[in-house]
Amino acid sequence: DVKVTQSSRYLVKRTGEKVFLECVQDMDHENMFWYRQDPGLGLRLIYFSYDVKMKEKGDIPEGYSVSREKKERFSLILESASTNQTSMYLCASSLLLEKLFFGSGTQLSVL
Amino acid sequence: AQKVTQAQTEISVVEKEDVTLDCVYETRDTTYYLFWYKQPPSGELVFLIRRNSFDEQNEISGRYSWNFQKSTSSFNFTITASQVVDSAVYFCALRARGNTPLVFGKGTRLSVIA
Repeated sequence: DVKVTQSSRYLVKRTGEKVFLECVQDMDHENMFWYRQDPGLGLRLIYFSYDVKMKEKGDIPEGYSVSREKKERFSLILESASTNQTSMYLCASSLLLEKLFFGSGTQLSVL
Repeated sequence: AQKVTQAQTEISVVEKEDVTLDCVYETRDTTYYLFWYKQPPSGELVFLIRRNSFDEQNEISGRYSWNFQKSTSSFNFTITASQVVDSAVYFCALRARGNTPLVFGKGTRLSVIA
């Protein structure tokens, strides 16, 4: 089975801190995605990547950046965390047009 | 633009009742893919089904069935004889042609009460 691993299940940070959320997949998938999930808003796409060193903005990229130096790893970076970035962050990967496999999520609280 | 609407925010049913979760989508593409995912309380989204736009056959998998109707742009999901373990948030999603990201609906929270 494909495994998508997010480094932390829960994270608490302070306003202004630089935050790294790490995601690793073990099935050589080309595509990787970062979504955030908020009550009443569903899943919203932040950034995605179709290959190493490639990145594309999703629907809500403001305040975020990403890094994909290796195929299996896709990092989400909050340059200066703010309270409105408190959310559940979900990483996913897929082969081309196939289904997404999701990690368990990171619940980030910014105080 | 692609859009998925799940009008039902929350549904509560008693165990063994049948329940249908609605999904309406919008796209201008003639080739597209529709998905359903389940998010149990543990948090990890689990894939349930993928349907392409050229295949309008309904699908049944155990207690789960899906009704795809292009005429009404709907892809509804029915659980027959619901169980407590079906309690979860269910997401409908759409991918247009090409290697584009999934667009998700806002989800429907289903609570099945024993």
